[in-house]
Amino acid sequence: DSGVTQTPKHLITATGQRVTLRCSPRSGDLSVYWYQQSLDQGLQFLIQYYNGEERAKGNILERFSAQQFPDLHSELNLSSLELGDSALYFCASSPQGSLGSDTQYFGPGTRLTVL
Amino acid sequence: SQKIEQNSEALNIQEGKTATLTCNYTNYSPAYLQWYRQDPGRGPVFLLLIRENEKEKRKERLKVTFDTTLKQSLFHITASQPADSATYLCALDSQTGANNLFFGTGTRLTVIP
Repeated sequence: DSGVTQTPKHLITATGQRVTLRCSPRSGDLSVYWYQQSLDQGLQFLIQYYNGEERAKGNILERFSAQQFPDLHSELNLSSLELGDSALYFCASSPQGSLGSDTQYFGPGTRLTVL
Repeated sequence: SQKIEQNSEALNIQEGKTATLTCNYTNYSPAYLQWYRQDPGRGPVFLLLIRENEKEKRKERLKVTFDTTLKQSLFHITASQPADSATYLCALDSQTGANNLFFGTGTRLTVIP
């Protein structure tokens, strides 16, 4: 158990809908990262927050947004969902977030299925 | 943009042998390289980190090498066991001052009893 929690575990929804994925980092970790993993794309970095502020952005679609709250939990919002958004979404956390050597601890993931 | 390739999608080896996985990258000069293990349906788990000025790092039965000239990292599991069967991912730091990682597509290792 990494100490990172994600809810829900599974999510099934229809095209055009909006969903919110939630992540609670390990106690004491200030950075939260979101990754998308699909069969054809592998694990892709979406966005990183550090202590409430956006720190780095990857290939995140404009339909997706995220935020980190004062209690350091984070939410990833996915809107106008398309079939291609079906994937595993992982949240990870790390103590800091400004060092390339900071180990990331991954949550169990949320499996999103868009029908 | 950077490109990370892991040499094979799947690797099967006999129990007790050494498994060697390869990670090659182009258009990039990472300061750190990490290896993660991922079991089906679960999140990746950190195994080892190696810095650009380190040639080799060991942890129990695991060994990682990092050749910045060849732009390659090798990941070895000695005396492999069926419990080592999993997908192994290499990851490079983004060098943006943040800590986000770029992952390879992974190699699925199966250790046959």
